[in-house]
Amino acid sequence: SYELTQPPSVSVSPGQTARITCSGDALPKQYAYWYQQKPGQAPVLVIYKDSERPSGIPERFSGSSSGTTVTLTISGVQAEDEADYYCQSADSRGSRVFGGGTKLTVL
Amino acid sequence: QVQLQESGPGLVKPSGTLSLTCAVSGGSISSSNWWSWVRQPPGKGLEWIGEIYHSGSTNYNPSLKSRVTISVDKSKNQFSLKLSSVTAADTAVYYCARVNIAVAGTTGWFDPWGQGTLVTVSS
Repeated sequence: SYELTQPPSVSVSPGQTARITCSGDALPKQYAYWYQQKPGQAPVLVIYKDSERPSGIPERFSGSSSGTTVTLTISGVQAEDEADYYCQSADSRGSRVFGGGTKLTVL
Repeated sequence: QVQLQESGPGLVKPSGTLSLTCAVSGGSISSSNWWSWVRQPPGKGLEWIGEIYHSGSTNYNPSLKSRVTISVDKSKNQFSLKLSSVTAADTAVYYCARVNIAVAGTTGWFDPWGQGTLVTVSS
């Protein structure tokens, strides 16, 4: 089955830049999306169509794509950004798929 | 703005059928969106279960397809999930979500989400 691969964890100090990657063979052909999930809460969309930011999401969140890897970048990380982040896309048959998730720790 | 709310039993016996409903408010389930179920076992990641269009067309995760049925009730503006032959591995928070597709033929994203409901499979 198709998989999206994310690092289990990323740690950064406040004010630094966090980069979370997501790799998958179909990513050159399919858009990727990113969600932020804080403990006990439902996921929240932070990036759609690889690099678009929904209204209400801070400008420090950005997305990019290169080949089979997409990246979520959080510039000037704040303590409130500590959360789990999931990428999402689809396989060649259209089945929706999530990455395994990355726990962002703000030191 | 559209809001989704899951409801259903929080405890299901092994080998039984899990049944949940997602009520859609602030918008019509007959809009040009798919409506989806996603689950998250305790301490684990997100897993897409399947989705339905208001016409009744469905798509399911191949790994769950044999046990899943998703249906829609347009008169009540809601859609439902049934998962049969459940085991402890099906214990999870179950979310419903709207699928948004910007361009036909491309994949879509989940937004908004319901708050989620914990379903425990135990005797």
